[in-house]
Amino acid sequence: DTGVSQDPRHKITKRGQNVTFRCDPISEHNRLYWYRQTLGQGPEFLTYFQNEAQLEKSRLLSDRFSAERPKGSFSTLEIQRTEQGDSAMYLCASSFDRYSEAFFGQGTRLTVV
Amino acid sequence: RKEVEQDPGPFNVPEGATVAFNCTYSNSASQSFFWYRQDCRKEPKLLMSVYSSGNEDGRFTAQLNRASQYISLLIRDSKLSDSATYLCVVSHNNNDMRFGAGTRLTVKP
Repeated sequence: DTGVSQDPRHKITKRGQNVTFRCDPISEHNRLYWYRQTLGQGPEFLTYFQNEAQLEKSRLLSDRFSAERPKGSFSTLEIQRTEQGDSAMYLCASSFDRYSEAFFGQGTRLTVV
Repeated sequence: RKEVEQDPGPFNVPEGATVAFNCTYSNSASQSFFWYRQDCRKEPKLLMSVYSSGNEDGRFTAQLNRASQYISLLIRDSKLSDSATYLCVVSHNNNDMRFGAGTRLTVKP
């Protein structure tokens, strides 16, 4: 499968714990995006990378959230001290460049209990 | 005001009907526009880009009105398989993509 892959697909964690999600974009895609989606809403932009550089972060991305793309390939999104309000689907997408279609992964569903 | 606003839906239409979705955006400097489709519990997938002159792809027609900051999607001859949530997407400077909340369509036999 050469699409965008995300791991894990599901994560249940206790409030206050830290979680980390991984996204592997399509090979040779330079752009990588993170979104969060809750039920009945469209995806909310969190951040994006051009290669290894993080170029924009949403105000939604509080200081408990951090994203990295160290070698310009896979990316990780870490949430520290999780809260119940963090429960959502976390979607990753990648594109070749800023003009190209973005392809989404199947997402990581986070449940904070 | 949200950056991208869509008809709230849901739209319930019979097979064969024509249905139109509207979307407005707040950033007049937005440059790229798309419609994505999202099936239940699936990831969004690109349906079509929206060009300034309007464009058509089979039964789907997209229109852009920059002056009114308005985008539309028209689906003709609706099929059962068109049932999904349709997401309006706007990009500023071809960087991040901002999504609307989506319009849910159900096509019934």
